Amino acid sequence: DIQMTQSPSTLSASVGDRVTITCRASQSISIWLAWYQQKPGKAPKLLIYKASSLQSGVPSRFSGSGSGTEFTLTISSLQPDDFATYYCQQYNSYSTFGQGTKVEIK
Amino acid sequence: EVQLVESGGGLGQPGGSLRLSCGASGFTFSSYSMSWVRQAPGKGLQWVTYISSRSRTIYYADSVKGRFTISRDNAKNSLYLQMNSLRAEDTAVYYCVRDGDVMATGPDALDIWGQGTTVTVSS
Repeated sequence: DIQMTQSPSTLSASVGDRVTITCRASQSISIWLAWYQQKPGKAPKLLIYKASSLQSGVPSRFSGSGSGTEFTLTISSLQPDDFATYYCQQYNSYSTFGQGTKVEIK
Repeated sequence: EVQLVESGGGLGQPGGSLRLSCGASGFTFSSYSMSWVRQAPGKGLQWVTYISSRSRTIYYADSVKGRFTISRDNAKNSLYLQMNSLRAEDTAVYYCVRDGDVMATGPDALDIWGQGTTVTVSS
């Protein structure tokens, strides 16, 4: 099974900060990686698919990069609505999620 | 409006059964693969199972293999999850989700999520 490891687990940041979250796969997954945002009590929302493709309706301050085993989600200028938990998901072989990264207010 | 609505959650006994349903609307259900994803209280997301658009391909996570069965009825725009031999660790919110790429041949990025239905396994 492919394991997904996100870092950090928690990130404290301020509005306007540039934020980067990393996701590492235990083996190569090519570009078959997605990123999701989840707020408390709500279903996750797809942000990025195929490692770097922005889902329709998602603000352009969100971007994804990487291939193989190392991937990043970047928020270029953190907004109040962005404080949430973020998950990566590989779908190269079945599907596996990372453990999540909580972005909290500094 | 594209929508997925789950039902059927509730309290289940250890060793017992529950059946979850998911109704789809606003898109051509028969064209899309579907999955179930769960989230235990205070924990992260866990992929559970996948079914292709015509039910020809089905996958399960090891943790539910042999106990859970995914199925769909394209005529009724509905997805199901039959959960047998329930365990305490199956306690979670269960999300019905759409796999986003109609051309994909396996699990994909999940672009539409239901609101979730809560399953609690306890005696």
